[in-house]
Amino acid sequence: AQSVTQPDIHITVSEGASLELRCNYSYGATPYLFWYVQSPGQGLQLLLKYFSGDTLVQGIKGFEAEFKRSQSSFNLRKPSVHWSDAAEYFCAVGVVEYGNKLVFGAGTILRVKS
Amino acid sequence: GAVVSQHPSWVICKSGTSVKIECRSLDFQATTMFWYRQFPKQSLMLMATSNEGSKATYEQGVEKDKFLINHASLTLSTLTVTSAHPEDSSFYICSAAGPSYNEQFFGPGTRLTVL
Repeated sequence: AQSVTQPDIHITVSEGASLELRCNYSYGATPYLFWYVQSPGQGLQLLLKYFSGDTLVQGIKGFEAEFKRSQSSFNLRKPSVHWSDAAEYFCAVGVVEYGNKLVFGAGTILRVKS
Repeated sequence: GAVVSQHPSWVICKSGTSVKIECRSLDFQATTMFWYRQFPKQSLMLMATSNEGSKATYEQGVEKDKFLINHASLTLSTLTVTSAHPEDSSFYICSAAGPSYNEQFFGPGTRLTVL
């Protein structure tokens, strides 16, 4: 069965520091991969997605992610975190065989300290 | 483009009543819509998938008779929580995908509180 693991429940970084949020997936075929951000009480905003091609994907708000097939990973990175980046981040894999049903990771809460 | 709205954004109801939540794709035709629920401090769990004009496909453990889903048009899907109870209190989020899309576009969510 498909699954997504985000091993870090909480991460705290200083403003201006770099950030990496980890995501590992389990899926038999080449996955569609997504990173979403959710502020409290809000819906999900798509940060970036990977379908095929270049394994380094650029997204909005200065985020990027790298797909590594050998490690079944799709880690999210940002070189310099801003206080407004504090939110919860979800990694998801799209299951093509089931109409692109999304399987979400448990989420990582990012706290930014000034 | 690809905007999805939900209405209402929040609702409070008494136990035993039914609540309807609407999900609309504003600028594209959504052949498939998805309904998720999210408990506090938890991830999104898919409840059901609906294709326009067809019966919804429910995930294991989701009660079909309690969570009625209708996807009567290419721009509207509704979720009705019937005979709501306090344990149904949650954040419900819909998403929509068109025929040429391989990604979902999410609505802003509906906070349901059952007293």
